[in-house]
Amino acid sequence: DAGVIQSPRHEVTEMGQEVTLRCKPISGHDYLFWYRQTMMRGLELLIYFNNNVPIDDSGMPEDRFSAKMPNASFSTLKIQPSEPRDSAVYFCASSLRLAGRETQYFGPGTRLLVL
Amino acid sequence: AQSVAQPEDQVNVAEGNPLTVKCTYSVSGNPYLFWYVQYPNRGLQFLLKYITGDNLVKGSYGFEAEFNKSQTSFHLKKPSALVSDSALYFCAVRLGGKLIFGQGTELSVKP
Repeated sequence: DAGVIQSPRHEVTEMGQEVTLRCKPISGHDYLFWYRQTMMRGLELLIYFNNNVPIDDSGMPEDRFSAKMPNASFSTLKIQPSEPRDSAVYFCASSLRLAGRETQYFGPGTRLLVL
Repeated sequence: AQSVAQPEDQVNVAEGNPLTVKCTYSVSGNPYLFWYVQYPNRGLQFLLKYITGDNLVKGSYGFEAEFNKSQTSFHLKKPSALVSDSALYFCAVRLGGKLIFGQGTELSVKP
């Protein structure tokens, strides 16, 4: 298996632009997670899905952030409009829930820089 | 609130010496505990987990962790550190369908 795939790996954009991050989870996994990592705040869970349905979006910072999972093999995290404070590494992870003993597998991350 | 804490931002060890990266947890009920490692410019990689059973859990790359219920700790250990073990280490606890991560500990192993 190729593991969790994220694109792009790097994104540089200007403030006010729309940014879309993409994730392909491991085939067969039924949970998908979006995280943000910064020096100041560490690793934060933004949102997670179970069987394509958003379960907990309490970590989404504000309305500028939105996430979708139209099918089991694809998810997007969108920021519109982007701001310099959104600069971070965004990780996608997936897991297969087995009575709560799941292990999350992380993608390589998207490094976002908003100028 | 259910959480994990990693009291050390950085741990420095000489190659060949034993290493310990500390983690304490605060959860109600029986905890599901995890250790992940992050190498530079990479995503997190699973190392090991404790669900139930033997308090000493063995994981990848020669790492192990000891679950101590009385001290509410889950410290990561390795008998002999390698320079290649230098990375950022995260402890995590499962809460519902998600993991709550500690702030991370930077491990530096010097030759």
